[in-house]
Amino acid sequence: KAGVTQTPRYLIKTRGQQVTLSCSPISGHRSVSWYQQTPGQGLQFLFEYFSETQRNKGNFPGRFSGRQFSNSRSEMNVSTLELGDSALYLCASSLPPGGAVTGELFFGEGSRLTVL
Amino acid sequence: QQQVKQSPQSLIVQKGGISIINCAYENTAFDYFPWYQQFPGKGPALLIAIRPDVSEKKEGRFTISFNKSAKQFSLHIMDSQPGDSATYFCAAGDSSYKLIFGSGTRLLVRP
Repeated sequence: KAGVTQTPRYLIKTRGQQVTLSCSPISGHRSVSWYQQTPGQGLQFLFEYFSETQRNKGNFPGRFSGRQFSNSRSEMNVSTLELGDSALYLCASSLPPGGAVTGELFFGEGSRLTVL
Repeated sequence: QQQVKQSPQSLIVQKGGISIINCAYENTAFDYFPWYQQFPGKGPALLIAIRPDVSEKKEGRFTISFNKSAKQFSLHIMDSQPGDSATYFCAAGDSSYKLIFGSGTRLLVRP
């Protein structure tokens, strides 16, 4: 069974640009969550989607947005990039609605974004 | 109130020793406490998890101890091995479809 797939794995952007990251969940998983990982900060929750609906959102500015498609694949977008947006962006999928029952998230290997 | 505080930030243990990582939380609505293990270049993977109705859970060399009244939980790695060298994250969750992660502990097990 294929795991969570994230593309691209690495990308470099300059300040002011925008970026779109893609996530394909494990087959059958309907919930997709996004996390930002930076050194010393751990993983910060961005948002969670289930059946194309955003059910929760973290404390990030409106420049961070996401969506989920009918096949459960998800994208996140960051507009007007800032230097501080440099991070590893992790996508995770779960089987039960939102993973709230078991809590087990299956993470991809992440998309490493560098903003120059 | 949503924070999960994790310590230590880094830990060095000799092979065969015990590694102990601690976490504390404030939000009493949390009802799920997992630990994730992350190797360089990989995403985090669930290691072990506990719910507040039990005080301890053991899986192989890994044990979670949970103290509900103190709002603290910890991970013990017995007989630590070099292959255990990784970053460990504690987390807490409720019914809000998200996990709140600690800041992580980088564990190095020396041969």
